[in-house]
Amino acid sequence: AQSVAQPEDQVKVAEGNPLTVKCTYSVSGNPYLFWYVQYPNRGLQFLLKYITGDNLVKGSYGFEAEFNKSQTSFHLKKPSALVSDSALYFCAVRRSYGNNRLAFGKGNQVVVIP
Amino acid sequence: KAGVTQTPRYLIKTRGQQVTLSCSPISGHRSVSWYQQTPGQGLQFLFEYFSETQRNKGNFPGRFSGRQFSNSRSEMNVSTLELGDSALYLCASSNDLNRGSTGELFFGEGSRLTVL
Repeated sequence: AQSVAQPEDQVKVAEGNPLTVKCTYSVSGNPYLFWYVQYPNRGLQFLLKYITGDNLVKGSYGFEAEFNKSQTSFHLKKPSALVSDSALYFCAVRRSYGNNRLAFGKGNQVVVIP
Repeated sequence: KAGVTQTPRYLIKTRGQQVTLSCSPISGHRSVSWYQQTPGQGLQFLFEYFSETQRNKGNFPGRFSGRQFSNSRSEMNVSTLELGDSALYLCASSNDLNRGSTGELFFGEGSRLTVL
């Protein structure tokens, strides 16, 4: 079974500073990895994905993530955080074959302080 | 292209009632998945449908059921509602082949169910 761990409940960062949200995963075979963001009372919005290829993946709104197979990690990063980045962030993993079932982490609340 | 549409957005029910939630996927998407989101349990997979067939099912009791129609629209039903069923129910669609895809899931805005 696949699973995701997001070890921190909340990530606080000052506006303009780098933002990192951590994620480790467990899955049989090659992983397909995703980051989603959720604003209050809204659905999940796709940010980026890793399927294969370059370990550094660039996504929407200036976000990027680095896939590290040996550490089974897929940390989300943004060089300079904005107040509007304050939201709930979810890491998700699925197997590379079969169905589309995603396993989500518990989510990280990101707070960007003006 | 229109996104994933879920109806109703908000609803209130009482214990013992049943509820049906509807999801219209993005045009051309044949895979539809449902997730339950609660503060305590986070996002939990309910089931996935592909071409009117349930392809995978999460660990929920039989009170939770779903179906998919020939136009890929999907419904989920919860019977004999319990207080713990209060949650945001999210539907997601994917541009899929019949053996999975590399694509991301596109989520709707959700249906927020409150059980009193």
